[in-house]
Amino acid sequence: ETGVTQTPRHLVMGMTNKKSLKCEQHLGHNAMYWYKQSAKKPLELMFVYNFKEQTENNSVPSRFSPECPNSSHLFLHLHTLQPEDSALYLCASSQVGRQGRETQYFGPGTRLLVL
Amino acid sequence: KNEVEQSPQNLTAQEGEFITINCSYSVGISALHWLQQHPGGGIVSLFMLSSGKKKHGRLIATINIQEKHSSLHITASHPRDSAVYICAVGLGNEKLTFGTGTRLTIIP
Repeated sequence: ETGVTQTPRHLVMGMTNKKSLKCEQHLGHNAMYWYKQSAKKPLELMFVYNFKEQTENNSVPSRFSPECPNSSHLFLHLHTLQPEDSALYLCASSQVGRQGRETQYFGPGTRLLVL
Repeated sequence: KNEVEQSPQNLTAQEGEFITINCSYSVGISALHWLQQHPGGGIVSLFMLSSGKKKHGRLIATINIQEKHSSLHITASHPRDSAVYICAVGLGNEKLTFGTGTRLTIIP
């Protein structure tokens, strides 16, 4: 399998549920990202992991909890979400160098609906 | 005001037409990216450029650093080009700032 994969592709959950989104990259990259895409809004960066260390937490509520056990895997743990958290959650990876011009490769996304 | 502005927000054209999508940004950047998002969500990187012009098949991307402006052109457009095209700028680290996208529909 190549590229960036995400599971599940679709998820419906209640506000009291706990679920996890999984991302895996097969590109040998050293950075991974979580993005949120809501309708009519630009992609919002949520978290960045660079060499497995979290380098960015873009003021994301604590009900979203990321985990990066190694450079190929990234999780987003979800608990007590709100209906406004319904969105497309995209994972991406890149090979970060000194100039910050690297192409990011995106997964297909997980479409989340919170009831 | 978003740091990255795209126009138009929506564009409908007939098959074969020449398409131009514009992107303006307000900050100094290290690179500008054009991305394509098809229905269903998957995003594909089309171009990354920091100066001049790049061409790939029927797609051409240009950037004018002084004017902080980039354009994406599609020649001989086809219904399979229908997608959302997103402009994003890199600020010299691993972070990207995204525009809201241009929804392109090509009618057969």
